[in-house]
This record gives sequence, structure tokens and C-alpha cells, in this order.
Amino acid sequence: DVKVTQSSRYLVKRTGEKVFLECVQDMDHENMFWYRQDPGLGLRLIYFSYDVKMKEKGDIPEGYSVSREKKERFSLILESASTNQTSMYLCASSLSLTPPDTQYFGPGTRLTVL
Amino acid sequence: GQQVMQIPQYQHVQEGEDFTTYCNSSTTLSNIQWYKQRPGGHPVFLIQLVKSGEVKKQKRLTFQFGEAKKNSSLHITATQTTDVGTYFCAGPPNAGNMLTFGGGTRLMVKP
Repeated sequence: DVKVTQSSRYLVKRTGEKVFLECVQDMDHENMFWYRQDPGLGLRLIYFSYDVKMKEKGDIPEGYSVSREKKERFSLILESASTNQTSMYLCASSLSLTPPDTQYFGPGTRLTVL
Repeated sequence: GQQVMQIPQYQHVQEGEDFTTYCNSSTTLSNIQWYKQRPGGHPVFLIQLVKSGEVKKQKRLTFQFGEAKKNSSLHITATQTTDVGTYFCAGPPNAGNMLTFGGGTRLMVKP
């Protein structure tokens, strides 16, 4: 079974803090994704990575950056957290992008920025 | 850019009633995927449809992919309380490599 883990289930941070969200997958997947999920808006793609050190912006990258130094690990960074970044953050991984394959999601991190 | 719309956004049903959610894309899709997210959980893959007009069944769930590959539906027969959750469709545009998710339909089942 594919396992995608995220470093925290719940996180509370203050405005202006630097926040790191970590994601690890154990299936040797090439592709990893960060989404945020907000009520009524579904899942919106922030960034994705198709290989180590490679990254592409998704639909809403502003205020975020990412890092992929190892194949199994994909980090989402909020350089200076703001209250409008309070959300559920979901990491996912997949084997193929051509065509897009099943995505396997982690349990999510609910981030609150005060 | 591509948009994927789902209706309804919410649905309350009595246990035993049927339920259908509809997914519509602004562009032709190379495939359509469906995910289920239980309350407090994360999206879990249910099924993928690839061919125009394809119909697949999983027990009480029936999935359809439209002839024009721009719409899809999920129908649940005789809902049970275990069906509670949010159902998402997702699809990449033809020649695209990113999934665009619909807004989801949240199903609530009254016992």
C-alpha cells in the first residue's frame, strides 16, 4: 500500500512566522503535489514536483515555496504566514503525469494562523 | 484555464434513497477520476474512466463518462450511512498532465 505521511495533523502559528510542512511518500513516486482545501473551493494546487529539485507552480503559488531535495520528501514553506493561509493542506504523490495517474493523499495538516 | 464544476454542492438524503452527483468540465478530458473523502479524512481514489461513454460499477456505485468526455456522474443506489462524505471528480484536459478537481459534493445520509 502507498503511504503518504505528513509531519503534523494540526499546527497553530502566528502571523509572520515561517512555517514548514513536510510530506514523505514510500512508493518511489516521481510526482508530488501540495494542495490546499477550503470549504466550497475543493482542492487547489499550490505547487507540484516531477523530480528531485524540480518544481512547477500550480494555480495558487503566491505566498508559498517548496523544496524537494530527496525523491521521497516534498516540503511546503510559508515564508511569512498570514491569516488567509489558514487552511487544510494536503500532500499527494503519483507515479505518472502522462497521463495523470491516481493520486495518493496524505492525512492532511490543518494549519491555523493567528 | 480549465474549470471543473460539480453539482450539487451538498445533498441530504434519507438512508435507502438514491444519490447522484454531476461533474462538468469546460474542456475535454483525457480521463476522469473520482475520489471520496470521509469526514475528517483525506481524499481516497475510487475509480478512473478513460473511454467516451464508459460505465463502471462498484457495488452500489455507478460511474459514467460522457460521450463528449466533458462530463461525468456518480450514482449511488440505496445509500447507507457509510456513504457519507465528500465526492470529488478530477480530470486532466486532453494533452494536459495536471488534475483539476471539482469543488466536491458533500453527501449526508440520515439514518
